[in-house]
Amino acid sequence: GEDVEQSLFLSVREGDSSVINCTYTDSSSTYLYWYKQEPGAGLQLLTYIFSNMDMKQDQRLTVLLNKKDKHLSLRIADTQTGDSAIYFCAVSDSSNTGKLIFGQGTTLQVKP
Amino acid sequence: DVKVTQSSRYLVKRTGEKVFLECVQDMDHENMFWYRQDPGLGLRLIYFSYDVKMKEKGDIPEGYSVSREKKERFSLILESASTNQTSMYLCATQGRGGVHYGYTFGSGTRLTVV
Repeated sequence: GEDVEQSLFLSVREGDSSVINCTYTDSSSTYLYWYKQEPGAGLQLLTYIFSNMDMKQDQRLTVLLNKKDKHLSLRIADTQTGDSAIYFCAVSDSSNTGKLIFGQGTTLQVKP
Repeated sequence: DVKVTQSSRYLVKRTGEKVFLECVQDMDHENMFWYRQDPGLGLRLIYFSYDVKMKEKGDIPEGYSVSREKKERFSLILESASTNQTSMYLCATQGRGGVHYGYTFGSGTRLTVV
């Protein structure tokens, strides 16, 4: 089945850029997502990208998709302390059931 | 905006109790999902449902059951709670139309079984 991998932890200084990486195994995934989870809360959809796109920018967020390498990244420019959270990568299941397959989540720590 | 409401934010139950976790959504989404979240393990799918009275097992259904009698409500049932079911439980919904097919999550229920 589909597998989605993320590193577990990233620490950056306030004002720096953060890059969170994700790899997946199924090249037929049509939609790819980034979710943010703040402490004690549910997951919130941050952004998404279709598989026919290479890049998507939304204010401080830039998503890059390398389909050849099955690699997805989320770049947060000018990282703030309020960006401290767990970030989940998710890809659509290739079986067309609509299910999303989630990575383990990357905890982003932003130091002042 | 879709609103997904989980009935309790925090719940403490005793071993052996029957536990009901409720999830209600207000935007007519067809698909609903129950996940549990544990540190280092990410999200694990317990059960999901594509329609009323329909249910499918996810990756870790043992010890759980579900009920979907109405489209807007998806209940997770722990038949006999055990301490290894202490976890954060997340409900999610997904519509079949729209621009994308991302999930909308509830705020989660943190269940402690003592």
